[in-house]
Amino acid sequence: QKEVEQNSGPLSVPEGAIASLNCTYSDRGSQSFFWYRQYSGKSPELIMFIYSNGDKEDGRFTAQLNKASQYVSLLIRDSQPSDSATYLCAVLTYGQNFVFGPGTRLSVLP
Amino acid sequence: DTGVSQNPRHKITKRGQNVTFRCDPISEHNRLYWYRQTLGQGPEFLTYFQNEAQLEKSRLLSDRFSAERPKGSFSTLEIQRTEQGDSAMYLCASSPLAGTGELFFGEGSRLTVL
Repeated sequence: QKEVEQNSGPLSVPEGAIASLNCTYSDRGSQSFFWYRQYSGKSPELIMFIYSNGDKEDGRFTAQLNKASQYVSLLIRDSQPSDSATYLCAVLTYGQNFVFGPGTRLSVLP
Repeated sequence: DTGVSQNPRHKITKRGQNVTFRCDPISEHNRLYWYRQTLGQGPEFLTYFQNEAQLEKSRLLSDRFSAERPKGSFSTLEIQRTEQGDSAMYLCASSPLAGTGELFFGEGSRLTVL
């Protein structure tokens, strides 16, 4: 059973702080890792993807991947109230199927 | 490019009825995925197609669920003899064969089974 796990939250951070979201996965054959943001009542939209171990930065977002520990994280710097959403970790398996975690609900307090 | 389109957006049905959802992917996207999402949960994989071939189907999926993608364009997801537990948002997503692997989601079709 391929699984992706996340803390469900809610994670509350004050505006301007760093939000840290974590994800672990069980399938060592997983190739690619994605973070999606989902606003309430809306469909998921891609924030970042990462393939290689290490960090990948895109604006206020940094994705971190550690394949040995089977761990992916997303850091959001200078958090804004508009970042309040559910963040979904998704893993692309060897079979080209995407497995999603349950999501972490983030609340950025003004 | 109008994005991924799903119809109907909302469907209310009585238990035991059959329902069908349609998904029109972004043109030229070879891969098409169906997911189910309930409140507070992440999308749960149902099935996916590469062109017209159904390459994988969730083992958790009841035989009441069937999906097709004739000619490798639009896809339909049919649920037979609906149950209250089928109430959920059904999401369709497409992606190109080459690229980052990003999934482009439709707005979803919300099913309510009474």
